[in-house]
Amino acid sequence: DAMVIQNPRYQVTQFGKPVTLSCSQTLNHNVMYWYQQKSSQAPKLLFHYYDKDFNNEADTPDNFQSRRPNTSFCFLDIRSPGLGDAAMYLCATSRAGMGEETQYFGPGTRLLVL
Amino acid sequence: AQRVTQPEKLLSVFKGAPVELKCNYSYSGSPELFWYVQYSRQRLQLLLRHISRESIKGFTADLNKGETSFHLKKPFAQEEDSAMYYCAIRDDKIIFGKGTRLHILP
Repeated sequence: DAMVIQNPRYQVTQFGKPVTLSCSQTLNHNVMYWYQQKSSQAPKLLFHYYDKDFNNEADTPDNFQSRRPNTSFCFLDIRSPGLGDAAMYLCATSRAGMGEETQYFGPGTRLLVL
Repeated sequence: AQRVTQPEKLLSVFKGAPVELKCNYSYSGSPELFWYVQYSRQRLQLLLRHISRESIKGFTADLNKGETSFHLKKPFAQEEDSAMYYCAIRDDKIIFGKGTRLHILP
């Protein structure tokens, strides 16, 4: 089945230790998104790639970076995780420009910062 | 700035009773609105979008521009409807509401 895959499902890191979360998709969608969702809050968009074009949200901390080496993969890098970065991180994809704007979400990676 | 408000954090409804999950939005234009659902231990997924005017799993949602609302309704709740429901609006990006947890009581 075509889908959005996130690895790992759970990630534990130490305060200040860089961590990378991975997302891959078999949908061949041209847009990939990263959301942060804290407990009892709405998913909050961090940034997205429209093809190779990176679009950062104005309020996304500099601590958060992203890479998209090809259509299928997208990475979220947190350079120096703080305790406040503990959250669920959701990856999503969509096929923009084709009249289909539905976002397809991965299962998420729950990040714990010790 | 566009905003989506879901006033209820938790809604408990008896099986077979009607369900209405409220969503109000603020937007200066023609909004594109969605309902997303997340069942227990499953990923967030699209339930329906207003432009499709479709019924999914018995749920419908009508855009009321006068009241700036997009409430989600189902005439008879089923136990499998228990989930987290997010209303969302799209401009250049999708903005989610904080969600309402629907709990269907047996």
